[in-house]
Amino acid sequence: GQQLNQSPQSMFIQEGEDVSMNCTSSSIFNTWLWYKQDPGEGPVLLIALYKAGELTSNGRLTAQFGTTRKDSFLNISASIPSDVGIYFCAGRGTGFQKLVFGTGTRLLVSP
Amino acid sequence: DSGVTQTPKHLITATGQRVTLRCSPRSGDLSVYWYQQSLDQGLQFLIQYYNGEERAKGNILERFSAQQFPDLHSELNLSSLELGDSALYFCASSVRPLAGGSYNEQFFGPGTRLTVL
Repeated sequence: GQQLNQSPQSMFIQEGEDVSMNCTSSSIFNTWLWYKQDPGEGPVLLIALYKAGELTSNGRLTAQFGTTRKDSFLNISASIPSDVGIYFCAGRGTGFQKLVFGTGTRLLVSP
Repeated sequence: DSGVTQTPKHLITATGQRVTLRCSPRSGDLSVYWYQQSLDQGLQFLIQYYNGEERAKGNILERFSAQQFPDLHSELNLSSLELGDSALYFCASSVRPLAGGSYNEQFFGPGTRLTVL
């Protein structure tokens, strides 16, 4: 099935560092979402973006809806060990709420 | 806790068997979605129900079927199981099937891990 391309595939960083990841699509989306998944758990919604160019923050997390509508970015500032997990982007076009998920970015944080 | 519950948490079965996964959506949510996540893969949309009716189909095999009951809980039935069906199966719920108006995003349950031996 269709998937969005996320990069990087994985990251191993030191606690306190900032993190950037992105998600790209060949299709235009009207909504971009970012989820975090802990091992063995379901994805948890972090940030939702609804307008091209929109910049939204949730604590140390900031996400942007790309102006082309074909990409989105997630930044995590001052990472902490509990940021460890897999981050998924998801896009939704017009019509019903079918989400297309990205391939995921696995984040590891060293104390 | 998202408010979405799924049972069982783990399921181990043999090839050729049939299993049923159950999902209870968040209180008030009318829409239920099923996803499959294979090892180290993203989530693949399987099927969506809204208030008891099928609304959208994704990459769902003919061996798989689902339904949503009057009390809004949903079941995903997997039959003639194959080794490749081993995966995490997630249910998500939301209120509205269409974007627009107030936005109601999908909230995911904890998943059912299916292992086919």
